[in-house]
Amino acid sequence: DGGITQSPKYLFRKEGQNVTLSCEQNLNHDAMYWYRQDPGQGLRLIYYSQIVNDFQKGDIAEGYSVSREKKESFPLTVTSAQKNPTAFYLCASSIAQNSYEQYFGPGTRLTVT
Amino acid sequence: GENVEQHPSTLSVQEGDSAVIKCTYSDSASNYFPWYKQELGKGPQLIIDIRSNVGEKKDQRIAVTLNKTAKHFSLHITETQPEDSAVYFCAARGYSGGSNYKLTFGKGTLLTVNP
Repeated sequence: DGGITQSPKYLFRKEGQNVTLSCEQNLNHDAMYWYRQDPGQGLRLIYYSQIVNDFQKGDIAEGYSVSREKKESFPLTVTSAQKNPTAFYLCASSIAQNSYEQYFGPGTRLTVT
Repeated sequence: GENVEQHPSTLSVQEGDSAVIKCTYSDSASNYFPWYKQELGKGPQLIIDIRSNVGEKKDQRIAVTLNKTAKHFSLHITETQPEDSAVYFCAARGYSGGSNYKLTFGKGTLLTVNP
C-alpha cells in the first residue's frame, strides 16, 4: 500500500516534556508538510520541507522543530516552549513543493496535561 | 498573505437534496483551489480541485465552480447521501515568498445529511 503513515494515533504527554510525532511516506514525494488543526479551525502550516536536509518555517513554527534526514521521513518535535500543544497534527506530502496536490496522513491527536 | 473565508460553518440537508459550500479568497494571484473532505478522527481527503484557468469542474455528484473576478469558488454536492456527512475544507494556493507557494485553508463546513 502506498501512502502516508503517522504514529501513534493518540499521544499523551505531561506539560514540560518534548514529544516527537512520526510521519513516513512511501509515495516517493519530495515535499512534506506539517499542519496543526484545532477544533473549528482550518489547517495551519507549521513547517515544510521541499527536499532532504532542507526545511522552512510555516505560519506557526514557534515551539516546534523538524528534521528531514531521509526522503521518506519528516518527524515533528513539539517542544516544551509550545504554549498550547494539545491539537490534531496532520502530515502531508506532494510530489514537489510547488506541485498542486497535497495528500494527508491520518493524523496524530496530541494531548498535553 | 492569503485569507480564505468559508461559509456556512454548518449545513444540514435532507438525503437527496443538494448542498453548496462557498469560499472567498483575497489574493488574486492564487491559482489552485482544492476541496477536502474530513471524516471524524481522520485526515483530510482531496475530493476535487480546480485551477485558475478553468471555470467549472465536475466529478459524478460533486462539482466546483470558480469566479476569478469575484474571487470566490464553491463546492456543489448533488443527490446527497448520509455518507457525505463530514467536514469539508476549501483551500487556495498562493505565493508565499521566494519560489514557494502554500495552501491557505478555510475553517471548514460541517455537513450533515439526514436520512
